Amino acid sequence: KAGVTQTPRYLIKTRGQQVTLSCSPISGHRSVSWYQQTPGQGLQFLFEYFSETQRNKGNFPGRFSGRQFSNSRSEMNVSTLELGDSALYLCASSLWGTSGTNEQFFGPGTRLTVL
Amino acid sequence: QQQVKQSPQSLIVQKGGISIINCAYENTAFDYFPWYQQFPGKGPALLIAIRPDVSEKKEGRFTISFNKSAKQFSLHIMDSQPGDSATYFCAAHTQGAQKLVFGQGTRLTINP
Repeated sequence: KAGVTQTPRYLIKTRGQQVTLSCSPISGHRSVSWYQQTPGQGLQFLFEYFSETQRNKGNFPGRFSGRQFSNSRSEMNVSTLELGDSALYLCASSLWGTSGTNEQFFGPGTRLTVL
Repeated sequence: QQQVKQSPQSLIVQKGGISIINCAYENTAFDYFPWYQQFPGKGPALLIAIRPDVSEKKEGRFTISFNKSAKQFSLHIMDSQPGDSATYFCAAHTQGAQKLVFGQGTRLTINP
């Protein structure tokens, strides 16, 4: 079974721009979560989607948004980029909500650099 | 507010030794505690996980010990190998929400 895939793997943007990141979960997984990883703050939860609905949201400003499509693929968008948004953005998928398991499987991440 | 505290930040162990990483939490609503292993340039990989109704879980060379009353849990890596050199994260799952709270990570180096 293919793992979680994320595209693109690397992105360079300038301040003020916006960016869209994509995540394809493991086949059959309907829950997709997004995390931000930085050296200073570590791994922080952004939001989680299940069946196209955002169920949980972390403590991030409204510039961070996401959505999920009917095939469970998910996108996250960051508008008006700031230097501090430079990070590794990780997507994780799970069966939670369908089988009760809590296991989350991560993709390789998208490395975003804001100049 | 950091809800999961992990120590040490870095750890150096000789090949064949035991690596021990500790985590402590405060929120009693956590209901599942996974450990992840991350290599440079890769996403975190699920290593082993435990639920609070179990005091110990072993998978190969990896063991989680869980102390519910102390709100602490730890990862033991037996017979540590150079290939185990990576960053390890403990995490806690929030009951009723598919959300993980992570510790700050431990950079483990196994010297050959």
